[in-house]
Amino acid sequence: EIVLTQSPGTLSLSPGERATLSCRASQSVTSSYLAWYQQRPGQAPRLLIYAASSRATGIPDRFSGSGSGTDFTLTITRLEPEDFAVYYCQQYGSSPPFTFGQGTKLEIK
Amino acid sequence: QVQLVESGGGVVQPGRSLRLSCAASGFTFSSYGIHWVRQAPGKGLEWVALIWYDGSDKYYADSVKGRFTISRDNSKNTLYLQTNSLRADDTAVYYCAREAPTTGGAFDIWGQGTMVTVSS
Repeated sequence: EIVLTQSPGTLSLSPGERATLSCRASQSVTSSYLAWYQQRPGQAPRLLIYAASSRATGIPDRFSGSGSGTDFTLTITRLEPEDFAVYYCQQYGSSPPFTFGQGTKLEIK
Repeated sequence: QVQLVESGGGVVQPGRSLRLSCAASGFTFSSYGIHWVRQAPGKGLEWVALIWYDGSDKYYADSVKGRFTISRDNSKNTLYLQTNSLRADDTAVYYCAREAPTTGGAFDIWGQGTMVTVSS
């Protein structure tokens, strides 16, 4: 089973700043099948990034993903008020289980 | 529009059973693999189970293997999760999520979730 470790646990920033979230895998993620999801309070998760760097439909270009192998990054430039939420990485596409990281909470400073 | 709607959650005693449903609309349900994902109160996301588009293959997390059964009825555009021998640590919001082939299998559509509380 691939274990995903996200850092930091909580990130405190102000609107307009840049956020950098990290996701490290315990072993190489097959074909960069790494996704990022955003979850706002009381809502279901929403797909932001798939295949490590491809934006999902309707996702603003201030969201970008990068990385390969075991190290992945989600970057949000110019934070908007609606971006303050919890973010999860997930590995998928290979054999189950399709594990999630423990999440990074992005909060307003 | 494309959507998934879960139902069937509730409060149940330890050791009892519950069947969750996930109704799909707005897309060709029979063409997509569908997952169940759960989230305990205040915790992160946990993948639970997957069923292939035609029901021919199924996979489970170790934490539910032997107790939960995923199934689907493509004629009714509905996914199910039969949960047996429920325990307190099964308390969670249960989401169904569509696997999108164009993304390699990321979960592109999620339902709003249904809450299961296991308590005596």
